[in-house]
Amino acid sequence: EDQVTQSPEALRLQEGESSSLNCSYTVSGLRGLFWYRQDPGKGPEFLFTLYSAGEEKEKERLKATLTKKESFLHITAPKPEDSATYLCAVRIPTNSASKLTFGTGTRLQVTL
Amino acid sequence: EAGVAQSPRYKIIEKRQSVAFWCNPISGHATLYWYQQILGQGPKLLIQFQNNGVVDDSQLPKDRFSAERLKGVDSTLKIQPAKLEDSAVYLCASSLARGVGELFFGEGSRLTVL
Repeated sequence: EDQVTQSPEALRLQEGESSSLNCSYTVSGLRGLFWYRQDPGKGPEFLFTLYSAGEEKEKERLKATLTKKESFLHITAPKPEDSATYLCAVRIPTNSASKLTFGTGTRLQVTL
Repeated sequence: EAGVAQSPRYKIIEKRQSVAFWCNPISGHATLYWYQQILGQGPKLLIQFQNNGVVDDSQLPKDRFSAERLKGVDSTLKIQPAKLEDSAVYLCASSLARGVGELFFGEGSRLTVL
């Protein structure tokens, strides 16, 4: 069965304290891995797309990397405004098309 | 550019009552999705439309949930009758085409079933 597992469930960092979030997957026929950010009371907001092992994408203090079994979202010198839930999703083929399957997310809190 | 619009933002109903949610996607987006997000979980796809046709509704509880996108633009998701376990946020998203990973989400409709 296709699965997406994110860890840790929650992470509390001090401002400037770098860390990484993990997304591991067991998927047949992966067609892309995606990272989203979700603020409380809002819908998810797209961050990155990764398609092949070794690929990296960067945006401000965030960098996403991909291997054959997992992806990492590295947060360098985070600020309080980076506090959010970060969701990982994989695109898998279905009988009729393909669909995004989301993990349960990592709740990140960055304090002063 | 206007984003994905959803209404109502909040709804409280008794179990066995019915409820409907409305979504207007970004102009020109052919693909529309309804996701259910239960507290503490990631979004789960309920149904995917391509224009006004259903692409995937394999996870839609069809005995109580229905959805339509009659003119290939806005969409309605209905629940009848509602159960306690339907309490969740219902997220609508749209994308330019099928098979892309960049989905644009609305702010969601939070449903509480008492």
